[in-house]
Amino acid sequence: AQKITQTQPGMFVQEKEAVTLDCTYDTSDPSYGLFWYKQPSSGEMIFLIYQGSYDQQNATEGRYSLNFQKARKSANLVISASQLGDSAMYFCAMREGYQTGANNLFFGTGTRLTVIP
Amino acid sequence: ETGVTQTPRHLVMGMTNKKSLKCEQHLGHNAMYWYKQSAKKPLELMFVYSLEERVENNSVPSRFSPECPNSSHLFLHLHTLQPEDSALYLCASSQDPGSNEQFFGPGTRLTVL
Repeated sequence: AQKITQTQPGMFVQEKEAVTLDCTYDTSDPSYGLFWYKQPSSGEMIFLIYQGSYDQQNATEGRYSLNFQKARKSANLVISASQLGDSAMYFCAMREGYQTGANNLFFGTGTRLTVIP
Repeated sequence: ETGVTQTPRHLVMGMTNKKSLKCEQHLGHNAMYWYKQSAKKPLELMFVYSLEERVENNSVPSRFSPECPNSSHLFLHLHTLQPEDSALYLCASSQDPGSNEQFFGPGTRLTVL
């Protein structure tokens, strides 16, 4: 079974509006971490935000926030006040466990976000 | 200077060629990674190195051979590749293998003819 599912291959949002990118995950490990990365057309993956499975509050980083719903196993990314530079591929990822050396990130297939002027 | 650099950015090779991908990180990190990104497939972790020792090998075919001569450099040696190996190969580094944030390079776009 896929560990990370992103059901939106593409999304469009008007500039200055907010957008939510969906991510669901599958794990039986009680300890895990959830990540969002942005990949512009230049290719590099840019870390955006992290949520630990034991974190009580939703993570926020500037215009990015992670809507963490543990019971539903979802970790949606919310981008507020979209900018043209936000157009990119967005990947959700998960790491299971906190063992030293265990750093296998499982990635979803990504969502291509296009911000419309 | 950017944190993680990769060369070459683009590579076209025949199935009988031998080539190497190079990754260099200028962040003082202890862990480095190779990922493969194929079209319409999730990013796949290939190898993890911690302090120049390989700590993870995710069932990667032997035609891919990694090398980590020091904590700043990581190579991926390619030999007798197949067309299905065409992909974007991304290098990343993190402070330690368990760190939350990985810093990625721009990738090498590999085409195998």
